[in-house]
Amino acid sequence: GAVVSQHPSRVICKSGTSVKIECRSLDFQATTMFWYRQFPKQSLMLMATSNEGSKATYEQGVEKDKFLINHASLTLSTLTVTSAHPEDSSFYICSARAFRDNEQFFGPGTRLTVL
Amino acid sequence: GQNIDQPTEMTATEGAIVQINCTYQTSGFNGLFWYQQHAGEAPTFLSYNVLDGLEEKGRFSSFLSRSKGYSYLLLKELQMKDSASYLCAVVDSNYQLIWGAGTKLIIKP
Repeated sequence: GAVVSQHPSRVICKSGTSVKIECRSLDFQATTMFWYRQFPKQSLMLMATSNEGSKATYEQGVEKDKFLINHASLTLSTLTVTSAHPEDSSFYICSARAFRDNEQFFGPGTRLTVL
Repeated sequence: GQNIDQPTEMTATEGAIVQINCTYQTSGFNGLFWYQQHAGEAPTFLSYNVLDGLEEKGRFSSFLSRSKGYSYLLLKELQMKDSASYLCAVVDSNYQLIWGAGTKLIIKP
């Protein structure tokens, strides 16, 4: 089956610093990658959709200057949380989809804690 | 607008059967997924339905009726490890996944 990895799995940082999260599709080419955020006891919230080689499409209410997304290759997308604050502490999950495929394959998630 | 409805929480007994319903109203339909998510983990794929009818996979089955905008996930012979959230998601006409809020399933001994 398709495998998606995320790195790091956990990160703790100080308020005001930036954190980069990587999402990789290991055995398939992901033309589209999705970034989700999930707060405790809540459902997944789609933050943005990125297609390889083009700018990401952000959902309403998500600040594109704060959550920088880069999808430079068919196997790698990165999410950078800039100037992180405690309210950004959450579980960030990426998923990847191959061309003309409906299924999204999820990474294991990254738990971000901002002190 | 687009809407996916599923119960917030359900409780069932170990060894029993439980049915989790999902109704949807979306702009177009290109399939429906069920995912399982344990606390603190990412979702994992359970099933995909695009045609009407029942898909069986071991202890789990998923049913779809496109005319009624309705699906259910049926879990048999419940085990304690089945305690998790179950997410219903529909692929719309733009091939985007529209997510339900999830159903938290609690299994009691």
